[in-house]
Amino acid sequence: DAGITQSPRHKVTETGTPVTLRCHQTENHRYMYWYRQDPGHGLRLIHYSYGVKDTDKGEVSDGYSVSRSKTEDFLLTLESATSSQTSVYFCAISLGRSAETQYFGPGTRLLVL
Amino acid sequence: KQEVTQIPAALSVPEGENLVLNCSFTDSAIYNLQWFRQDPGKGLTSLLLIQSSQREQTSGRLNASLDKSSGRSTLYIAASQPGDSATYLCAALHSGGGADGLTFGKGTHLIIQP
Repeated sequence: DAGITQSPRHKVTETGTPVTLRCHQTENHRYMYWYRQDPGHGLRLIHYSYGVKDTDKGEVSDGYSVSRSKTEDFLLTLESATSSQTSVYFCAISLGRSAETQYFGPGTRLLVL
Repeated sequence: KQEVTQIPAALSVPEGENLVLNCSFTDSAIYNLQWFRQDPGKGLTSLLLIQSSQREQTSGRLNASLDKSSGRSTLYIAASQPGDSATYLCAALHSGGGADGLTFGKGTHLIIQP
């Protein structure tokens, strides 16, 4: 299994509070991704990174920001959590963009009350 | 915008049967198509990746095919076992402009009856 960890694994928070989720990899993969998974929508891309300090938006980026100051860490921040951001968040990594498998972390379950 | 559809949404078959899961995508400009397995409450496990230049990939009892021109992929599972019960997801990596990252179907929930 790819060395990907996510923290926390579970979190309950209140509307309006900031929340930061962490993805940590030990594989030295260049690409890192954040997805959210919701019933009826499947997995959708939030943000991704193609190198240290190089990030870009995905399909559902509103209300989220990311940072990548080191190759191994990719942080996702909900700046002011809303109930619509209750979801399961998955981090993924890949060695390259076009030819490589994406490997997924175990996920973080976030409940915003 | 790429859209990925998986049919059927759910499938229940007796153990030992061969079965086919279907995936269709609207934009043929893809780098690759990937099949994943997801167990309840777990992350995704990569099963097979087919490059856009390939027609199929095989791993054990699994065979995935890709027809870019028709926008279709299939995952064939031979001699199904109860341990194959899971949700199977297909995802396409777009090669055109716009955001990187996979576009996923909503999955096929598979139950193999002992």
